[in-house]
Amino acid sequence: DAGVIQSPRHEVTEMGQEVTLRCKPISGHNSLFWYRQTMMRGLELLIYFNNNVPIDDSGMPEDRFSAKMPNASFSTLKIQPSEPRDSAVYFCASNLSFGRGTGELFFGEGSRLTVL
Amino acid sequence: DAKTTQPPSMDCAEGRAANLPCNHSTISGNEYVYWYRQIHSQGPQYIIHGLKNNETNEMASLIITEDRKSSTLILPHATLRDTAVYYCIVRVFSGNTPLVFGKGTRLSVIA
Repeated sequence: DAGVIQSPRHEVTEMGQEVTLRCKPISGHNSLFWYRQTMMRGLELLIYFNNNVPIDDSGMPEDRFSAKMPNASFSTLKIQPSEPRDSAVYFCASNLSFGRGTGELFFGEGSRLTVL
Repeated sequence: DAKTTQPPSMDCAEGRAANLPCNHSTISGNEYVYWYRQIHSQGPQYIIHGLKNNETNEMASLIITEDRKSSTLILPHATLRDTAVYYCIVRVFSGNTPLVFGKGTRLSVIA
């Protein structure tokens, strides 16, 4: 299994530009989570989906952030316009929300965003 | 907000057991204790979880007190590769319930 795949791994952009981060969950998983990690705030949950439906987006910092999951194998997190304070590592995670599994979340390697 | 309290940092000599404590005094009856670790900015990695019994797997052991208000993660023979931030999380055993991370414990394994 390829695991959770995120792209790009690194992104450097200028303030005001649109940023799109992508995530491919593990095949067969039906829950997907977006997290953001900074030195100051640690790992924060931004939004999560179950069966492609957003369940809780209360962690999305403001209207500049949006996330979609058009199908079970793809999700995007978009920032428009980007600001320097959005600089962080963004993690995507997925899991299977039913059955006898451990409830374990599988994380991708993250997308490191730098906004100048 | 995280429902757990962990020491910010710990050191452990290579080859010795690393014992990482966690307090979760407000844990509910349907909440499990999960441990994850994050090695140098990689994505967090699942280690182990438990409800009330002690658990062991190939990575670690989890000891939960009888009142379930605290637990200890044990890495029996720590190696340099175990240097990481370790997160203790309480969570209901429902697949689509997210993990809420606290600050964790930064474990440094020293040669």
